Amino acid sequence: DIQMTQSPSSLSASVGDRVTITCRASQSISSYLNWYQQKPGKAPKLLIYAASSLQSGVPSRFSGSGSGTDFTLTISSLQPEDFATYYCQQSYSTVTFGPGTKVDIK
Amino acid sequence: QVQLVQSGAEVKKPGASVKVSCKASGYTFTSYDINWVRQATGQGLEWMGWMNPNSGNTGYAQKFQGRVTMTRNTSISTAYMELSSLRSEDTAVYYCARGAPGGAVDYWGQGTLVTVSS
Repeated sequence: DIQMTQSPSSLSASVGDRVTITCRASQSISSYLNWYQQKPGKAPKLLIYAASSLQSGVPSRFSGSGSGTDFTLTISSLQPEDFATYYCQQSYSTVTFGPGTKVDIK
Repeated sequence: QVQLVQSGAEVKKPGASVKVSCKASGYTFTSYDINWVRQATGQGLEWMGWMNPNSGNTGYAQKFQGRVTMTRNTSISTAYMELSSLRSEDTAVYYCARGAPGGAVDYWGQGTLVTVSS
């Protein structure tokens, strides 16, 4: 199975900050990488698919990049509603999720 | 609008089975895969498997092979996930989610809490 890692596991940031989360796959997954946001008690929400495509309805402050084994999710200017946990997911070979990155208020 | 509505919370004893339903609306049920993902309290997301509602074909994560069965009833646009030989470690929220092209999942059910306790 393909293993996914994320860094950092958690971060504290302020409204307006630029935030970057990294996801790494144990082998090349081309661009089969998706990002989700999850708030407590809620189902995850798809933000980015195919590494860099913005899901419909998702604010443009979210962006994704990368291919192969290394990927990033960037929030250009953190908003109050963005405090949540973020997961990457590979869909190259079956499916595996990363362990998550919790973004909380500094 | 696309909706996935799951069945209610369940409490089961160790060794029992549970069957969770997921009713789809707002799109053609047979045109998109259904995935099942679970999440234990305070933990991350764990993918269990997928089903093609048109063909009935399935693919399960190795961890759940032999214990999970995914089925569907196309006449009522409903998918099912049955997990057998339950143990305490299976206590989690179980989600169904619609598969999008490329393997992302774009719509999620509200989740079903399954508690396994003696």
